[in-house]
Amino acid sequence: KAGVTQTPRYLIKTRGQQVTLSCSPISGHRSVSWYQQTPGQGLQFLFEYFSETQRNKGNFPGRFSGRQFSNSRSEMNVSTLELGDSALYLCASSLPGGRGNTEAFFGQGTRLTVV
Amino acid sequence: AQKITQTQPGMFVQEKEAVTLDCTYDTSDPSYGLFWYKQPSSGEMIFLIYQGSYDQQNATEGRYSLSFQKARKSANLVISASQLGDSAMYFCAMREFNTGNQFYFGTGTSLTVIP
Repeated sequence: KAGVTQTPRYLIKTRGQQVTLSCSPISGHRSVSWYQQTPGQGLQFLFEYFSETQRNKGNFPGRFSGRQFSNSRSEMNVSTLELGDSALYLCASSLPGGRGNTEAFFGQGTRLTVV
Repeated sequence: AQKITQTQPGMFVQEKEAVTLDCTYDTSDPSYGLFWYKQPSSGEMIFLIYQGSYDQQNATEGRYSLSFQKARKSANLVISASQLGDSAMYFCAMREFNTGNQFYFGTGTSLTVIP
């Protein structure tokens, strides 16, 4: 079956702009979570969506938002971009979690550069 | 306190030799899962192996095995017969199934396989 698809793969934006990233999970996976990866902070959890509802949120400012559609595809949006938002953004697709649920797969990521 | 600790920023191993990457974790949730991912320079997080907190036996997947010592809260990754293509960053991660679906990641270990 198809893997997790993130688009676009690369983005260059200017400070102050906004950006929308997309993630299509593996078929049958209803949980989508987002992570930011930077050299300084490592991998940090942004938020998780399950059945179109945000179930969990990390410690990021309100400029970072997301949503999930009925087909489980998810988007994340970053408004008023700052230089520090430059990062690799990874999306993870999984079953809801719980004992025995082992599947959790990541997309190739979107590399965002803010100039 | 850090949920996941990887104390080896960089490791070198001779081709065809075995190597152990260390990981310790901290949780009070009795139901959790431990994961290892490989991240090549392309950025994609590739799932390697999973160990559930209730699993009695150590997980194995081909050349990868997980040395799970629950009392010591360690989940080391053992790669046997290293190959040049194993050179990458390796991340240990945990999900606490009773408190959410997010991953907690370690800081990673950069593995270099020497011919």
